[in-house]
Amino acid sequence: AQKITQTQPGMFVQEKEAVTLDCTYDTSDQSYGLFWYKQPSSGEMIFLIYQGSYDEQNATEGRYSLNFQKARKSANLVISASQLGDSAMYFCAMSGDNQGGKLIFGQGTELSVKP
Amino acid sequence: DAGVIQSPRHEVTEMGQEVTLRCKPISGHNSLFWYRQTMMRGLELLIYFNNNVPIDDSGMPEDRFSAKMPNASFSTLKIQPSEPRDSAVYFCASSLTSGSSDTQYFGPGTRLTVL
Repeated sequence: AQKITQTQPGMFVQEKEAVTLDCTYDTSDQSYGLFWYKQPSSGEMIFLIYQGSYDEQNATEGRYSLNFQKARKSANLVISASQLGDSAMYFCAMSGDNQGGKLIFGQGTELSVKP
Repeated sequence: DAGVIQSPRHEVTEMGQEVTLRCKPISGHNSLFWYRQTMMRGLELLIYFNNNVPIDDSGMPEDRFSAKMPNASFSTLKIQPSEPRDSAVYFCASSLTSGSSDTQYFGPGTRLTVL
């Protein structure tokens, strides 16, 4: 069975600094995808970044990058130059070729950016 | 382009009443997913459709829940009769296909309160 673990329930970061949100996963699928979503206080789920299990380079999208370490089964999200608007819940999720498109989510990390 | 559209955004009903949640996926997307988010259980998949056909409904909690997708641009999730423990945020998401590399885009969610 697939499992996603986010061990940081809450984190604080100073504005303009970088922050890393941890995510570890477990799966028996050979091919899988890792995703990060942002959920602000308004409640919507916003897609941030995707990493495929066969991608050799870490994914980047603007200020977001995914630090993918396959051997350690980790997919940490790095946010550079934090902004006040980055304060939100962040969810790590994964899918697998044997899971039929189903996303499994972690419990989330609440990030607070301090001015 | 319009994203995933859900209605209503908020629903307050009394125990025993029928509730119908509606979703319009992104045009051209062939897969549609219904998720439920609660504090206790986090985000969990209820059911998903591929080309309007239900593929996996193992997450549907019980017979009180039913979902349909009569065409490529519309899906409903119905709860009859509703119970207070059904109170949650219900998200609809869509993706191009149900492959592990396909990003799921979420609607704004319906916040359901059952009194």
